Amino acid sequence: KAGVTQTPRYLIKTRGQQVTLSCSPISGHRSVSWYQQTPGQGLQFLFEYFSETQRNKGNFPGRFSGRQFSNSRSEMNVSTLELGDSALYLCASRVGLAGDTDTQYFGPGTRLTVL
Amino acid sequence: AQSVAQPEDQVNVAEGNPLTVKCTYSVSGNPYLFWYVQYPNRGLQFLLKYITGDNLVKGSYGFEAEFNKSQTSFHLKKPSALVSDSALYFCAVRDISTGGFKTIFGAGTRLFVKA
Repeated sequence: KAGVTQTPRYLIKTRGQQVTLSCSPISGHRSVSWYQQTPGQGLQFLFEYFSETQRNKGNFPGRFSGRQFSNSRSEMNVSTLELGDSALYLCASRVGLAGDTDTQYFGPGTRLTVL
Repeated sequence: AQSVAQPEDQVNVAEGNPLTVKCTYSVSGNPYLFWYVQYPNRGLQFLLKYITGDNLVKGSYGFEAEFNKSQTSFHLKKPSALVSDSALYFCAVRDISTGGFKTIFGAGTRLFVKA
């Protein structure tokens, strides 16, 4: 079974631009979560989608948004990029039907650099 | 509020020696605990989880973790370290307090295994 895939793997943008990152979950997984990883803040939860609905959201500004499609693929968008948005963005998927106990599986991440 | 702490930024161990990476947690209700490993420029790989049952949980690559409710700890262990175990290790707890799905990660512990 193929793992979680994320595209693109690397991205360079300038301040003020916007960016869209994509995540394809493991086949059969209906839940997708997004995390931001930085050296200073560690791993921070952005949001989780299940069946095209956002079920939970972390403490990030409204510039960070996401969506999920009917095939469970998810996109994350960051508008008006700031230097501090430079990070590794990780996507994780899980089946989503086992309550809180099932395991999340992570993709390789998208490395975003904002200049 | 749910939280998880990894008190050591770095752990150094000689190859062949046992290793321990420490994790303590704070949760309301039953703890759902996880360990992940991250290699350079990669996403997180699942190692093991504790949901319920035996306090000693066995996982991938020879790792195991001991759940201790009285000490609120979930330390990761391996009887004999390999150089290839050198990586960044994350302890995580499932946050169910908000009613949604959210995983809180520790700051990470970098493990160095010396040949």
